[in-house]
Amino acid sequence: EAGVAQSPRYKIIEKRQSVAFWCNPISGHATLYWYQQILGQGPKLLIQFQNNGVVDDSQLPKDRFSAERLKGVDSTLKIQPAKLEDSAVYLCASSRNDGRQKFSGNTIYFGEGSWLTVV
Amino acid sequence: AQRVTQPEKLLSVFKGAPVELKCNYSYSGSPELFWYVQYSRQRLQLLLRHISRESIKGFTADLNKGETSFHLKKPFAQEEDSAMYYCALKGNKLVFGAGTILRVKS
Repeated sequence: EAGVAQSPRYKIIEKRQSVAFWCNPISGHATLYWYQQILGQGPKLLIQFQNNGVVDDSQLPKDRFSAERLKGVDSTLKIQPAKLEDSAVYLCASSRNDGRQKFSGNTIYFGEGSWLTVV
Repeated sequence: AQRVTQPEKLLSVFKGAPVELKCNYSYSGSPELFWYVQYSRQRLQLLLRHISRESIKGFTADLNKGETSFHLKKPFAQEEDSAMYYCALKGNKLVFGAGTILRVKS
């Protein structure tokens, strides 16, 4: 099956500019995740969608970050305005889990990531 | 709160030597533990999960609830094992450790 697709792969912007990342999950996957991975750290969950509803966005800096998943398929993550500390890899991931299982056991598949450098 | 600790940033071993990548976790509920691997220039991918009790590429990991650990082990390291390894805990969300770089020298 086709993997999780992300674009753009690389982006360099100046601080205070805006940027948007796009993600197409694996077909049929109900759950979509956006992670932020800063150099030297493990991925940190920003937001999790179940179909087109938000399950967890507790670590999303909502004053500058926004994400949507219209129609429960593709998703976009936007940063506006960007700060220097937003430089990171933004990983999109998806899993089949439709939320009904108590113990998921579902594999989470990751995209290749979108590398953001804010200068 | 969920927390994953990988105490070693870098582990360097010779080919054929045993490998143990340490992972400790903190979680009040019943955890799901995973190991993810990222080879050079590739995407992050699942290596193994504790519920499967499987051996993948010669790697195994046993969940020790008493010590809250989920260390990754392999008896004989191979050069192709060189990669970044992340331990992850799924409670109400999937939380990753900071990762350990495994370097296998010839």
